[in-house]
Amino acid sequence: NAGVMQNPRHLVRRRGQEARLRCSPMKGHSHVYWYRQLPEEGLKFMVYLQKENIIDESGMPKERFSAEFPKEGPSILRIQQVVRGDSAAYFCASSPRDPLNSGANVLTFGAGSRLTVL
Amino acid sequence: KQEVTQIPAALSVPEGENLVLNCSFTDSAIYNLQWFRQDPGKGLTSLLLIQSSQREQTSGRLNASLDKSSGRSTLYIAASQPGDSATYLCAGFGNKLVFGAGTILRVKS
Repeated sequence: NAGVMQNPRHLVRRRGQEARLRCSPMKGHSHVYWYRQLPEEGLKFMVYLQKENIIDESGMPKERFSAEFPKEGPSILRIQQVVRGDSAAYFCASSPRDPLNSGANVLTFGAGSRLTVL
Repeated sequence: KQEVTQIPAALSVPEGENLVLNCSFTDSAIYNLQWFRQDPGKGLTSLLLIQSSQREQTSGRLNASLDKSSGRSTLYIAASQPGDSATYLCAGFGNKLVFGAGTILRVKS
């Protein structure tokens, strides 16, 4: 079991370019979460997805950011027209079941994708 | 809105000392509380998960407690070692996992 796989691990973009971050959940996990960690800060929730559905996107900026988790393939976090303030570590986590309907839910995190905007 | 606060923000102790990290949360309607470790430039490693029906969990030299009525959790590390140096994050799980800002621990040899 390879765990939660994120790629790329490091990504450098110039202002105005697009960044695409990919997350492959653990085998058998159908729930994916994206978090952002700004330098010297804690992790902030961005979005919670199940296959083909966005469940909670309350932490996503209204503009330039989007996320998907298609039926086949990894979850994608897309940032359009990046700005320097987007520089951060983006972490993906997965779980096997809906946390609201299960007694216990352990999230497994990936190693993160570190975005640097020049 | 769930908010999670961790105290202290940073802690430096000599090797061998026992220590306690504190976590408080504003919304008692959490399902679980999870403690993580994060090494510099790395991802998160789950240390302990306390379900809402439990009061504590132990793993090796680590013990975590949860008091929902007071909105507090503590992580106790016994006989600290330099390898314990890392940032420790607590996170409360209501409808999503909400993280504290972390405690940066340094154990000096």
